[in-house]
Amino acid sequence: GAVVSQHPSRVICKSGTSVKIECRSLDFQATTMFWYRQFPKQSLMLMATSNEGSKATYEQGVEKDKFLINHASLTLSTLTVTSAHPEDSSFYICSARSGGLDTEAFFGQGTRLTVV
Amino acid sequence: QKEVEQNSGPLSVPEGAIASLNCTYSDRVSQSFFWYRQYSGKSPELIMSIYSNGDKEDGRFTAQLNKASQYVSLLIRDSQPSDSATYLCAGRDSNYQLIWGAGTKLIIKP
Repeated sequence: GAVVSQHPSRVICKSGTSVKIECRSLDFQATTMFWYRQFPKQSLMLMATSNEGSKATYEQGVEKDKFLINHASLTLSTLTVTSAHPEDSSFYICSARSGGLDTEAFFGQGTRLTVV
Repeated sequence: QKEVEQNSGPLSVPEGAIASLNCTYSDRVSQSFFWYRQYSGKSPELIMSIYSNGDKEDGRFTAQLNKASQYVSLLIRDSQPSDSATYLCAGRDSNYQLIWGAGTKLIIKP
């Protein structure tokens, strides 16, 4: 399958600071990227969907000013958690899709964010 | 009712036996269905996809879909300790958005 690289795999930051997470498709062009958040022993929750060159579509309840998503190229999307708080500590996962709506999306390795 | 429902487990199965994982879904989930495996601290990886009623086999894995009863299952034959993980069931809605279950933790005992 196609490779999606997510970086960093782990990050610890102080409360009030911002953290940027990168998601890269290494061997295909990702027309659509998805950002998920997963709390312990819970399901994946979709935060937002982004298409290259356009603004991200956020799910209900997700603050777009707090979770900034940039999908500036066909191989890179970034998620910036601004003014992070301990309750933002979670496992953030990106996935990328190259084709139509029903094609498979490939997952990055995930980022464990801990806000202290 | 949750849109995609799974028993959280843990489901404990002896090595070499068949592990059976089940998932039920609501009317909102109507398109294709997927089983993902997720190891602790890792992201999900796709195991099987199934689109139509019946069975689909791939190696030791068999997915079964019954749209009338709104359930999808995953059978793992000759279970190995390396199969120990959380198995996530997901289905697409009419907008092709993935709807996820919370996962079933599977433990294969040597």
